[in-house]
Amino acid sequence: GENVEQHPSTLSVQEGDSAVIKCTYSDSASNYFPWYKQELGKGPQLIIDIRSNVGEKKDQRIAVTLNKTAKHFSLHITETQPEDSAVYFCAASNSGYALNFGKGTSLLVTP
Amino acid sequence: DAEITQSPRHKITETGRQVTLACHQTWNHNNMFWYRQDLGHGLRLIHYSYGVHDTNKGEVSDGYSVSRSNTEDLPLTLESAASSQTSVYFCASSSLIQGADNEQFFGPGTRLTVL
Repeated sequence: GENVEQHPSTLSVQEGDSAVIKCTYSDSASNYFPWYKQELGKGPQLIIDIRSNVGEKKDQRIAVTLNKTAKHFSLHITETQPEDSAVYFCAASNSGYALNFGKGTSLLVTP
Repeated sequence: DAEITQSPRHKITETGRQVTLACHQTWNHNNMFWYRQDLGHGLRLIHYSYGVHDTNKGEVSDGYSVSRSNTEDLPLTLESAASSQTSVYFCASSSLIQGADNEQFFGPGTRLTVL
């Protein structure tokens, strides 16, 4: 089955700096790659997603890039703010339905 | 507003007892999922359903069962709770249309402790 690896497991940046989280996947048939943000005590919430026919997608301060050949995708957060502190999960799917999640990255943005 | 709810939010039970966690969504989504979240493991898929009377096993289905008798609900049952099933459980739902927006909407979670 699909195996999604996520790095780093923890990331600490200063406010205003950029943060990058990277994921790799094993199933070349995967075609949908969402990123979720989970705040303490809450369920994960989708922040951005990308499909395999697109190489990059941007939404304000967040962007996702996809390299199908290398089977990896990344989340980029620019101009980080304290409210960006949370756990971020990448995921991959080859059906558009059931998701295989990475183990998460705990991001801490310090003022 | 449409939403997805889980109950109870916290549950303490004893080893060997049967436990059922409820999940209810009002989006009329066909797809529903159960995940467990453990430190160091992220979110792991337990069971999922693509419609009424459809159920499928996920990565960590042993010891769990689900049934889908209507669109809105997917209860998760632990037939005989074990300490290894102490975890936070999340339910999620998404729409049917493949190729469209497949965003999964997550519930607030249920923290289950098995003593």
